[in-house]
Amino acid sequence: EVQLVESGGGLVQPGRSLRLSCTASGFTFGDYAMSWVRQAPGKGLEWVGFIRSKAYGGTTEYAASVKGRFTISRDDSKSIAYLQMNSLKTEDTAVYYCTRGVVVVAVTRYYFDYWGQGTLVTVSS
Amino acid sequence: EIVMTQSPATLSVSPGERATLSCRASQSVSSNLAWYQQKPGQAPRLLIYGASTRATGIPARFSGSGSGTEFTLTISSLQSEDFAVYYCQQYNNWPLKFGQGTKVEIK
Repeated sequence: EVQLVESGGGLVQPGRSLRLSCTASGFTFGDYAMSWVRQAPGKGLEWVGFIRSKAYGGTTEYAASVKGRFTISRDDSKSIAYLQMNSLKTEDTAVYYCTRGVVVVAVTRYYFDYWGQGTLVTVSS
Repeated sequence: EIVMTQSPATLSVSPGERATLSCRASQSVSSNLAWYQQKPGQAPRLLIYGASTRATGIPARFSGSGSGTEFTLTISSLQSEDFAVYYCQQYNNWPLKFGQGTKVEIK
């Protein structure tokens, strides 16, 4: 059974940093891309960032709202994806979901088939 | 960047009736379009990918159609467990974008 479990959320002051982890099980982690999606309280879904599998270069993509502040990485030996969040702002307050990306090989596009339950990040003084 | 627009914002439907949800992209996304269902307090769940392919375990009453800029999610006969918020998402271009969601509520 595929499972994604996020951790590391909590209350943090504006300007500070926080690192989220996504621990995966039930599949060969290194074969898949991983992504982070967030949802502010009472709002819709916002894609945050993405990391390809090593087979596709392990490269990353980010939303403009977090580019230069957030960094996604992965440790395939531990089946963990990370979201390092620096210079946090109050508008970063949200539930952060980890998702698994499935590649459509013919067009090298990715959709998200499994989601974790999310971890809440609150940025407030 | 591509803008995804869903309509209506809220859809009131009686159990057993058909629901039709729309999603429009500001430019072509080919068939690289997914639909997700989200219930209160839960993570989103993948329903449809490739605009029309049901994900594993999704009932046949859910169907997706469209390509390019116009897409539709149809729920043929609403069950009680289908009342939720539905999001479309394009994965053709970076940045990936979700629509704002359609809430399907009980009439």
